[in-house]
Formats: sequence, structure tokens, C-alpha cells
Amino acid sequence: DVVMTQSPLSLPVTLGQPASISCRSSQSLVYSDGNTYLNWFHQRPGQSPRRLIYKVSNRDSGVPDRFSGSGSGTDFTLKISRVEAEDVGVYYCMQGTSITFGQGTRLEIK
Amino acid sequence: QVQLVQSGGGVVQPGGSLRLSCAASGFTFSNYGMHWVRQAPGKGLEWLTFIRSDGSNKYYADSVKGRFTISRDNSKDTLYLQMNSLRAEDTAVYYCVKGRSDFDSWGQGTLVTVSS
Repeated sequence: DVVMTQSPLSLPVTLGQPASISCRSSQSLVYSDGNTYLNWFHQRPGQSPRRLIYKVSNRDSGVPDRFSGSGSGTDFTLKISRVEAEDVGVYYCMQGTSITFGQGTRLEIK
Repeated sequence: QVQLVQSGGGVVQPGGSLRLSCAASGFTFSNYGMHWVRQAPGKGLEWLTFIRSDGSNKYYADSVKGRFTISRDNSKDTLYLQMNSLRAEDTAVYYCVKGRSDFDSWGQGTLVTVSS
């Protein structure tokens, strides 16, 4: 199984400051079709997860451009350029070939 | 817009059964594979099972293999999860999710509580 490891697991951030979450996979996520199926999700308390980023760096419709995804192979990062209050919640990375999720990173306002 | 509306959760005794449904709209359901994912209270996301668009292939996590069955009725645009031999550790919110690798749309979630 492909293991997805996120860090940090807890992320206190001051409003307006940047934030970064790392996601590492136990093996390369480059699929046989050449794509890398690495998604990022945000889950607010009591809500369903919402996809933010797909295939490493593609932002979903309606996702603010302060969110960006990057990485390749086994190392991936989600960055928020300036954290806003609505960004609190848990962030998950997920590899989309054999489907496994990271443990989640809880972002809170300091 | 895409909607996945879930139903069928509730409280069930250990060893019991339950069937979850997920009614899809806003997209051509028969063109997409579908997943079930669950989240135990206070925990992370756990993938459970996937079914191809035509229902020809199904895949399961080891934790539910032999107990849970995924199915779909493309004439009704509906996904199902039949859960048998339920255990306390199956207590969770269950989500249906659209797409093979997309996961771009999630149902609202339905709570299943296994307790005597």
C-alpha cells in the first residue's frame, strides 16, 4: 500500500501569514499514463471534504488563488499565501491511483 | 450542478446490517466510477470501496472485504453500500464520492452507529 505522510499534523497560523503543508508518499505517484494523481482536500467541522487541488497543482473552480499546490514524485506541498479565518479545518492529501489519504493537518488561527 | 444525496444511515446492533444509498444528479452517472469513504469520529478519511462506471469491477479495502458490498443502478442514478456483520469499529460517517481519481464531489455524509 502507498502510505501518505503529512506534516505538520497541527498548524497554528496568524491571520494574514503564509502556511505550508507537506505530503510525502512511500512511492512515486507518477502513474503509467504520465499523470500524478495527487489531490488536496479541505474539511471544515461538520462538513464533507471539499477538493481544492487536483493532479498536484490544478486549483478547483471557486478555490481562491491564495491556495497553491506543487511537487513531484513523492514530495508534495500545499501552500496558503495569506491565511484567512475561513481556512481553518483539516487538510488532507490523497493519492488517486490506489487511493490512500494522509493523516490530515489541522489548521487553526493563532 | 453535481449533487450526491445520501440516505440510509442510523443505529444498528453489532452483527446487524444496513444499506446506504447515494442518489446522483447533475452529471451522467453511468460515465463515472464511484467510491465510498468513511470517517470515524474524530479520525481521518478511510477509503472503503470503488465500483467502475458500468459495475463490472469492484474493489474493497481489507477492513470491509467480505462484509460490505458496493453496487449501483445506472437506470436510477444511484449508488449503494450494503453493510453486513457490522462491528463497533464501523461506526463512522460514510461518504459517497464521484470519480475514479477525481474525488471532486462528495455526498453530505450519513452517520452509521453500531451499538447495542
